[in-house]
Amino acid sequence: ETGVTQSPTHLIKTRGQQVTLRCSSQSGHNTVSWYQQALGQGPQFIFQYYREEENGRGNFPPRFSGLQFPNYSSELNVNALELDDSALYLCASSLGNGQGTSSGNTIYFGEGSWLTVV
Amino acid sequence: GIQVEQSPPDLILQEGANSTLRCNFSDSVNNLQWFHQNPWGQLINLFYIPSGTKQNGRLSATTVATERYSLLYISSSQTTDSGVYFCAVTVSGSARQLTFGSGTQLTVLP
Repeated sequence: ETGVTQSPTHLIKTRGQQVTLRCSSQSGHNTVSWYQQALGQGPQFIFQYYREEENGRGNFPPRFSGLQFPNYSSELNVNALELDDSALYLCASSLGNGQGTSSGNTIYFGEGSWLTVV
Repeated sequence: GIQVEQSPPDLILQEGANSTLRCNFSDSVNNLQWFHQNPWGQLINLFYIPSGTKQNGRLSATTVATERYSLLYISSSQTTDSGVYFCAVTVSGSARQLTFGSGTQLTVLP
C-alpha cells in the first residue's frame, strides 16, 4: 500500500474523445508526476506538478495537460484521443522542493489507470 | 538524456533459485530506485539506493555509483516474485523525472 490512489482503474474511450484521470497523492507529499506506460515498455515521464504549477514536462504534445489542487491531488487530461494513447497511466507522489524529488525521498506510485482507445 | 539499460530482458527460474538483475546507467545519478511491477500494473518500491548496499529479506541491492551500475539480488525465489523489475534513475539538474530502463521480465516456475 503506497498511499497513492488513482481512478478510474479501467476505462474505454473512442478516438477523438477526451479523458480525465485522477490521482490522490500520499499524505505529506507535495509533488505529483504522471507517467505513460505502453505495453511491454517502461514508464515514460509526461509531466510533474509542484504546488499547483507544472514543474517539468516530457516529450508529450499539448493535448496532454494536467492540474494540481491545493490538497496536492492531481488530474491528467488528454484531449483528442488517439489509438496510440492506449496505455497504463501511472501517478507518482513524492516530497519535492520545486527542483524535483528531494534527495533521499522515495517516489511512490499508484496502481494506475488502464486506458483503451478504440 | 541519460540511458538506462537492464539485463537480462527475460529470466526464467525454478522456485528456490537465486538470480541477479543488472542496471547500467550512462551518467551520474542522484536517485536510483528498483521497482517490481505486478501483473495488475502496480509499481512496488523495492529499494531507494543511489549508492551502497541494502537488504530486505530475500532481496538485496548494490549500487556502485562510480562505475554506474546497480545490481538486484533475489535469493530463494518464489512464484510471487514473478513480474517485471524496473530500475529507474533521476539525474542532477533533471530531478523531476524518473528515467526507467526497459525492465527484466522474471518468471519463477513452481
